[in-house]
Amino acid sequence: QMQLVQSGPEVKKPGTSVKVSCKASGFTFTSSAMQWVRQARGQRLEWIGWIVVGSGNTNYAQKFQERVTITRDMSTSTAYMELSSLRSEDTAVYYCAAVISGYFTADYWGQGTLVTVSS
Amino acid sequence: EIVLTQSPGTLSLSPGERATLSCRASQSVSSSYLAWYQQKPGQAPRLLIYGASSRATGIPDRFSGSGSGTDFTLTISRLEPEDFAVYYCQQYGSSPVYTFGQGTKLEIK
Repeated sequence: QMQLVQSGPEVKKPGTSVKVSCKASGFTFTSSAMQWVRQARGQRLEWIGWIVVGSGNTNYAQKFQERVTITRDMSTSTAYMELSSLRSEDTAVYYCAAVISGYFTADYWGQGTLVTVSS
Repeated sequence: EIVLTQSPGTLSLSPGERATLSCRASQSVSSSYLAWYQQKPGQAPRLLIYGASSRATGIPDRFSGSGSGTDFTLTISRLEPEDFAVYYCQQYGSSPVYTFGQGTKLEIK
């Protein structure tokens, strides 16, 4: 079945970077796109950016434009989201979500990765 | 930038009642690219509705979506205990490529 498995929880110091992985299975990775979304505790979903896997084209929310890089490795069917210059406000659960249908919806979601930024 | 505003922020209803959730866009949104998600505590969101009115695979028919342009609605015809959750609308379009609404919490009265 279609599955997205994310890397484990991270604890980072302010000013450092974090890289979260998302391994896909059960669907044609190269024909999909991958959204990245985060959610601070008790807060709304916040869209970070996405990558069209086949072309490698990316688009980021303006808020994260200067600090985020989304990449993919087609040989391992894995997408990555790296966020730099971390601050305490970046503490959140980070989700990847696969876009498979022509309606550009987040059809399948990873289980989420908790990133904690603390000195 | 398209902003999605959901209302109400919290909706308190009883099982068996009908729920109507609203999602209003600051600019016209293509109906093809308006989706609704359900999120329960401690879980990832789940796709409910795509293309404004089509149910995703496995979604019960008590869930329905409607609307066009700037006004979209998610209706749950008869609430079941498992329907109490937070609901988000999302649009796909131009920059930013995706936007979420702030969510509506559906709670048991």
